[in-house]
Amino acid sequence: KAGVTQTPRYLIKTRGQQVTLSCSPISGHRSVSWYQQTPGQGLQFLFEYFSETQRNKGNFPGRFSGRQFSNSRSEMNVSTLELGDSALYLCASSLTGRLNTEAFFGQGTRLTVV
Amino acid sequence: DQQVKQNSPSLSVQEGRISILNCDYTNSMFDYFLWYKKYPAEGPTFLISISSIKDKNEDGRFTVFLNKSAKHLSLHIVPSQPGDSAVYFCAARINFGNEKLTFGTGTRLTIIP
Repeated sequence: KAGVTQTPRYLIKTRGQQVTLSCSPISGHRSVSWYQQTPGQGLQFLFEYFSETQRNKGNFPGRFSGRQFSNSRSEMNVSTLELGDSALYLCASSLTGRLNTEAFFGQGTRLTVV
Repeated sequence: DQQVKQNSPSLSVQEGRISILNCDYTNSMFDYFLWYKKYPAEGPTFLISISSIKDKNEDGRFTVFLNKSAKHLSLHIVPSQPGDSAVYFCAARINFGNEKLTFGTGTRLTIIP
């Protein structure tokens, strides 16, 4: 069974640009969550999508957005990039709808903003 | 407001001995707790979890203990092996209709051969 796949693995962008990251969840998982990991802040929750709808949102500015497609694949977009957006972006998928389910993470996309 | 705290940024343990990683939480609504292991430049790997209705869960060398009254959980690894060297994150969740995980800041575990 394939794991969570994130593309691309590495990205370098310039301040002011926008970026789109992609995540393919484990087959059968309908919940996809996104997290930002930085050295200073640890792992911070961005948002969760379930059945193409955003179900939860963390405390990030509106420049961070996402969507989910009918096949559960998800994309995350960051517009008007700032230097502080440099981070490891992680996607997690879950078999939601049941109690006590764990989230499985992809390898992440390392975004560097210069 | 850090709702999940791991107060020890690092821990060194001799190979073969027990490693104990600690985690405290403040939100009494959390009812499911997970431990993840993370290597640099990789995503976290799920290790073990515990529901709030239990006080202990064991899986091989890994045991998680939950003390609800103290809002404290711990991960025990015994015996510790060199491959256990990694950063360990504690995470918590409110179970219903919600997959959002709140993470601690992590503890870097180093196993000394």
